[in-house]
Amino acid sequence: QVQLQESGPGLVKPSETLSLTCTVSGGSISSNYWTWIRQPPGKGLEWIGYIYYSGRTKYDPSLKSRVTISIDRSKNQFSLKLSSVTAADTAVYYCARDCCADRANFDYWGLGTLVTVSS
Amino acid sequence: QSVLTQPPSVSAAPGQKVTISCSGNSSNIGNNYVSWYQHLPGTAPKLLIFDNNKRPSGIPDRFSGSKSGTSATLGITGLQTGDEADYYCGTWDTSLSGGVFGGGTKVTVL
Repeated sequence: QVQLQESGPGLVKPSETLSLTCTVSGGSISSNYWTWIRQPPGKGLEWIGYIYYSGRTKYDPSLKSRVTISIDRSKNQFSLKLSSVTAADTAVYYCARDCCADRANFDYWGLGTLVTVSS
Repeated sequence: QSVLTQPPSVSAAPGQKVTISCSGNSSNIGNNYVSWYQHLPGTAPKLLIFDNNKRPSGIPDRFSGSKSGTSATLGITGLQTGDEADYYCGTWDTSLSGGVFGGGTKVTVL
């Protein structure tokens, strides 16, 4: 059974960079598309972007200038960096597995981690 | 404002049926597969339906999905108290070149 777990700071100051890591267990990261999704308080789910094991990435156009997703196959982990954060970036951040490119079919998710942007 | 439109809430008595609609356009639902997720607060969202109408292993056949044109529907029959949760539709948007979701629908069992 594939399991995903997010980790990283729960509090980030405005204008700084949010950094999260997702550790994948029970399966190899060397296939599928590894995705970050977030949910602001009281709102719906928002797709942030994905990375393929080869390193190919795709990002939400509205976040593209601030987002970097990277992968470390040796550790079975992938990571999210979101720069110049504001209060609008406060959300529960989830990592998830997508079966295919450009499909948005997420079969495994992490529990999520709340990141608050505040001074 | 979510790209896909869902009703904020639906409700029914135990044993009854509910349907949840998800409306989009030709750039998303109209030309891509739809998936549905069940989300209980504090837990990981669970994939209920993929590729419009397929159920992953372990998902009971009380849950069903369909798609017609630029809209999709999730059906839940034999409603149980354990079905109380938020439900989200999702798909790919070819114009936006990204994943998109509905705003979520809260299911209440009366």
